[in-house]
Amino acid sequence: EIVMTQSPATLSVSPGERATLSCRASRSVTSNLAWYQQKPGQAPRLLIYGASTRATGIPARFSGSGSGTEFTLTISSLQSEDFAVYYCQQYNNWPPITFGQGTRLEIK
Amino acid sequence: EVQLLESGGGLVQPGGSLRLSCAASGLTFSSYAMTWVRQAPGKGLEWVSAIGGSGGSTYYADSVKGRFTISRDNSKNTLFLQMNSLRADDTAVYYCAKFRAPVPGGFDYWGQGTLVTVSS
Repeated sequence: EIVMTQSPATLSVSPGERATLSCRASRSVTSNLAWYQQKPGQAPRLLIYGASTRATGIPARFSGSGSGTEFTLTISSLQSEDFAVYYCQQYNNWPPITFGQGTRLEIK
Repeated sequence: EVQLLESGGGLVQPGGSLRLSCAASGLTFSSYAMTWVRQAPGKGLEWVSAIGGSGGSTYYADSVKGRFTISRDNSKNTLFLQMNSLRADDTAVYYCAKFRAPVPGGFDYWGQGTLVTVSS
């Protein structure tokens, strides 16, 4: 099983600033990595797939990068609606499909 | 517009059974693999099971293998999860989701979730 580790657990950033979230895989997942956003009481929403491709309707301020074992989600200028929990997910070697434990992005 | 609507959650005693359903609309259902993901209260996301578009291929997390069965009825655009021998640690919100296709890429549509509580 590929273990996904996200850091930090909680990130405090001011609106308008940049946020950088990290995800590490226990072994290579090539570019088969997705990022999700989840707000309280809501289902997750797909933001990024293929490590760097934005899903339909996702604003350009969200970008993903990385390959192999190290990945980054960057939100270039935080809006109020961006404060949420973010999860990475690998779908390179499955079953099982595995998620990171999440990063909570909170308002500073 | 793709919509996924789960139902069937509720309170069940340990050792009991429950069948979840996920009604899909706005897509050619049989063309897509589907999956169940769960989230225990206050916890992260855990993949549970997946099924191919025709229903011929099924996959399970070790934590549910032998207890849960995923299936689908393409004539009714519905996904199912039969859950047997339920345990307290199966308590979670269960989401159905659609695999993004044709290029593999995560789960692009999710239902709103249905809560399963296993407790005596």
